Amino acid sequence: GESVGLHLPTLSVQEGDNSIINCAYSNSASDYFIWYKQESGKGPQFIIDIRSNMDKRQGQRVTVLLNKTVKHLSLQIAATQPGDSAVYFCAENIDGNKLVFGAGTILRVKS
Amino acid sequence: DAGITQSPRHKVTETGTPVTLRCHQTENHRYMYWYRQDPGHGLRLIHYSYGVKDTDKGEVSDGYSVSRSKTEDFLLTLESATSSQTSVYFCAISESKFGLADEQYFGPGTRLTVT
Repeated sequence: GESVGLHLPTLSVQEGDNSIINCAYSNSASDYFIWYKQESGKGPQFIIDIRSNMDKRQGQRVTVLLNKTVKHLSLQIAATQPGDSAVYFCAENIDGNKLVFGAGTILRVKS
Repeated sequence: DAGITQSPRHKVTETGTPVTLRCHQTENHRYMYWYRQDPGHGLRLIHYSYGVKDTDKGEVSDGYSVSRSKTEDFLLTLESATSSQTSVYFCAISESKFGLADEQYFGPGTRLTVT
């Protein structure tokens, strides 16, 4: 999930497979984390969130896992569909109600 | 987009001119935010507001000012636009119940080009 310059990491998966998108966060004091999906030309769309007192949370077809020991967050998408193709961002709350976003990961779903 | 509108949606302006972007919400949420998005940088916080006339700086606030005179409106002003401010600008809102960090909902964005 780390970005290098202008080139976002890309994950390519076959339709129907499961996807796992990873994110390393920066601050061990962060207490709240969110995953967003952004399609081309649109604003980020909330997918799922998790607070630091949990290590797993499930939604519809999505699961977020939080490993505070290594400061790692992951988003699992079950049975990936073409409509899941987008850029995915993780965000952490480090201070009050301010989020810090990762640079993003591109998910491409092959039919 | 969770009752959030941004205007204008697209703007081209010349270096040195003032520009104001508007964010309007119908959700009565307490918190409002302005971000900019540039290739490879994700979203970076410019300014945010935690109530009417209560604002604070974010990560990249230089060259920007904000105002919030009503709960529903949050204005972002570039006093003298520069080419480095060419970007896509997003407004977000958050309810933040009980003072806890909460999900932020984003508007559709404004694409600003400074020539």
